[in-house]
Amino acid sequence: AQSVTQLDSQVPVFEEAPVELRCNYSSSVSVYLFWYVQYPNQGLQLLLKYLSGSTLVKGINGFEAEFNKSQTSFHLRKPSVHISDTAEYFCAVSPYGQNFVFGPGTRLSVLP
Amino acid sequence: NAGVTQTPKFRVLKTGQSMTLLCAQDMNHEYMYWYRQDPGMGLRLIHYSVGEGTTAKGEVPDGYNVSRLKKQNFLLGLESAAPSQTSVYFCASRYARVNEQYFGPGTRLTVT
Repeated sequence: AQSVTQLDSQVPVFEEAPVELRCNYSSSVSVYLFWYVQYPNQGLQLLLKYLSGSTLVKGINGFEAEFNKSQTSFHLRKPSVHISDTAEYFCAVSPYGQNFVFGPGTRLSVLP
Repeated sequence: NAGVTQTPKFRVLKTGQSMTLLCAQDMNHEYMYWYRQDPGMGLRLIHYSVGEGTTAKGEVPDGYNVSRLKKQNFLLGLESAAPSQTSVYFCASRYARVNEQYFGPGTRLTVT
């Protein structure tokens, strides 16, 4: 079985500062990795995904994530956040072709 | 394209009442999913379907039933609602060979 840990339930950061949201996973098989964003009162939207190839993945809105197989991590980063990045962020894993397992989420609050 | 739509957006039920949530997608996706989202727990899979006429249980199926009579629709039923089913429900869909899920806007259900 797979599991996903997001170590920080809440991350406050000032506008224009860098941010890293941490994600670690556990799986006995190879997985695909995803980050989704949920803005208030909306559904989830895909930020980026790692399927294969380069371990550094770039997504929408200036976000990027790096897959580290030895540490089973897929941390999300942005060099300079905006107020509009305030949202909840979910890390998810999917064993090849199988159902997704989501982490508990990290609430990012960008302060002026 | 409307993408993934969910009906209704909000609902309040009394304990013991029944209701059906409707999910519709216009992207010709083979796979469809129902999740529930609770604070601090991320998204948990209730039921899913890999094609018209087929359904399968997810992580938390008890108290729910589903049907997929048409490819574009996936219905989630609560036969006898309980307060523990108070949650936000999300539907998602995807192509069988593309590992990316598209989410609906959610249904907020309160059971009193």
